[in-house]
Amino acid sequence: GAGVSQTPSNKVTEKGKYVELRCDPISGHTALYWYRQSLGQGPEFLIYFQGTGAADDSGLPNDRFFAVRPEGSVSTLKIQRTERGDSAVYLCASSLRNSGEGTQYFGPGTRLTVL
Amino acid sequence: QKEVEQNSGPLSVPEGAIASLNCTYSDRGSQSFFWYRQYSGKSPELIMSIYSNGDKEDGRFTAQLNKASQYVSLLIRDSQPSDSATYLCAVWFSGGYNKLIFGAGTRLAVHP
Repeated sequence: GAGVSQTPSNKVTEKGKYVELRCDPISGHTALYWYRQSLGQGPEFLIYFQGTGAADDSGLPNDRFFAVRPEGSVSTLKIQRTERGDSAVYLCASSLRNSGEGTQYFGPGTRLTVL
Repeated sequence: QKEVEQNSGPLSVPEGAIASLNCTYSDRGSQSFFWYRQYSGKSPELIMSIYSNGDKEDGRFTAQLNKASQYVSLLIRDSQPSDSATYLCAVWFSGGYNKLIFGAGTRLAVHP
């Protein structure tokens, strides 16, 4: 079946602009995660959804970052007033359940560049 | 502070040799451990998971876990140039934390 998909694959924006990054998880996966990966680092947790609700948003760096998953499937990560430090690869992952036994499958990522 | 530490490398091994990748973690209560492979410009891909102390083998890959020492490793036998990638160690931190925490990764280079 289809894996996790993310759009766009690349996004270049100017400082101060608003961006939306989309994630379409594997069908049937109720858990969805957003991570951010900077060069030379591992993925850093941002937020986790169980169904429609954000079960854990403790990794969001500040209130410029927000994510939604209104129908329990597709999720959108929204970044307001982008800053150059927001430049990174934003990865989405999904799993059947949020537990140590729930393998997380990653999408191809969105490379965000803030000029 | 939940931490996962790896040597950033690069680890350079000749083709056909055994590559040994190591990882330590901070939480003694962790029970689930994963190795992901990430090719340059691509997303992480799960190659191994391990939950019990000891060795777990899958083809050319062997994961080793020692919970008492808070240490997990990945051995790649008969290394191939196609194994050249960054290997990410990930640990599931439970006990209310409930997150997968990644190390920074070790870059492996297999040269012919």
